[in-house]
Formats: sequence, C-alpha cells, structure tokens
Amino acid sequence: DTAVSQTPKYLVTQMGNDKSIKCEQNLGHDTMYWYKQDSKKFLKIMFSYNNKELIINETVPNRFSPKSPDKAHLNLHINSLELGDSAVYFCASRRQGLGEAFFGQGTRLTVV
Amino acid sequence: KQEVTQIPAALSVPEGENLVLNCSFTDSAIYNLQWFRQDPGKGLTSLLLIQSSQREQTSGRLNASLDKSSGRSTLYIAASQPGDSATYLCAVYSGGYQKVTFGIGTKLQVIP
Repeated sequence: DTAVSQTPKYLVTQMGNDKSIKCEQNLGHDTMYWYKQDSKKFLKIMFSYNNKELIINETVPNRFSPKSPDKAHLNLHINSLELGDSAVYFCASRRQGLGEAFFGQGTRLTVV
Repeated sequence: KQEVTQIPAALSVPEGENLVLNCSFTDSAIYNLQWFRQDPGKGLTSLLLIQSSQREQTSGRLNASLDKSSGRSTLYIAASQPGDSATYLCAVYSGGYQKVTFGIGTKLQVIP
C-alpha cells in the first residue's frame, strides 16, 4: 500500500531519447510535485500541480513536460535527454494548506 | 526568494549522545516547516511537520522547534543510535502556492 509510487525505479537511456516517469498517489491529496536531486544531493522543485492544474513551474527546460491526467497521477515526460539530466527524480504529494508532503522512492535516471 | 541553510553539513557522534541539527531560512513568512530523513539511495521519510503557529513538535526521541521571527528551526535527537545515521533535510513551505524549499541537508553518522 505504497502512498506515493514512482515507476520505473531505475532508468538508463542514451542521449537524445525520450522517456517518461510515472507517479501515482493513493492518499487523496490535491497537490503533486516533481523534484530533481542532483549529484550534490540538493533537492530542487521542478513542477507542482494542484487539482490537475500547473501552479509552480520553475526554470526547467521545456524538454520537460509534466502531465496530470487526474489528481492522483503526475507524470513527467522528458524529450531529447541530455547528460546533465542524469539525477534522481522524486515525486511528492500533499494536501494543500497544512498537510505534510509525502515522497516517492525516487527514479534514478542515468543518461549515457 | 526563500533560501534554506542547514548547519552543520556533516556530523559524527558516538552512540548515546544527544545532538542538535540546525535549519535557518531567509523569509520568515512561512506556512509550515518539515523535517525529513533520507537514507542512501532511498526516498525521503517525513519525521516532523511544524505548522507556523506552533513552536515545537515531538515524536519519540525527536523534538523539532520553530522560531519564525528569527527564521530558525532545530531538530533535537536524544540518545542517538546507529540507526539514526542518515541525511536530515529541512523543508520550508512559503510563498505563493506554498512552494517547498529544501536545505542541502546534514549528514549524520552515529558511531556504535
């Protein structure tokens, strides 16, 4: 009964490919996030959706496109992958307002 | 722009010691502050959430305090154990849509 689940856990792909990471939460939360954790372990927010609407979009290359088909899912599609995209990507969810955030286990993306 | 700093960056203590981890933030207009732990290669586990109206929260051997006016929070760990070894992250909810900003973390090692 994982609260926030991401797939795949590991992803190795070549430069130039297009890939997607999926995220699902079964907590009934209305807000979902994507974070990137770089090699220095710093967690930086990329996107946030509230009730399927984009509310936070940090300065992320437009090769990254999030999609929220419903409140329980937030997928991340990445076009034309580059070496610098290698990182661990975390999905999170929370109830907007006073709720705590819950994180998935992360997807380790390696671009070769 | 909110900035979160955590001191020290790394800490090594013998088992049984009490210890304090520090978190400071530049914009005191926060909604919540949340402490997480991250084990190597794993996701984030929520430890404590302090709402802006609260001054502290306790869970077992953990006690987190919040001083909004000075932009500081501390995480106190009593009677440390080797299983407490992990990276501890402070996250602050602030600004429009309660954007979450993370510190770089404190890497704790508890030596048996």
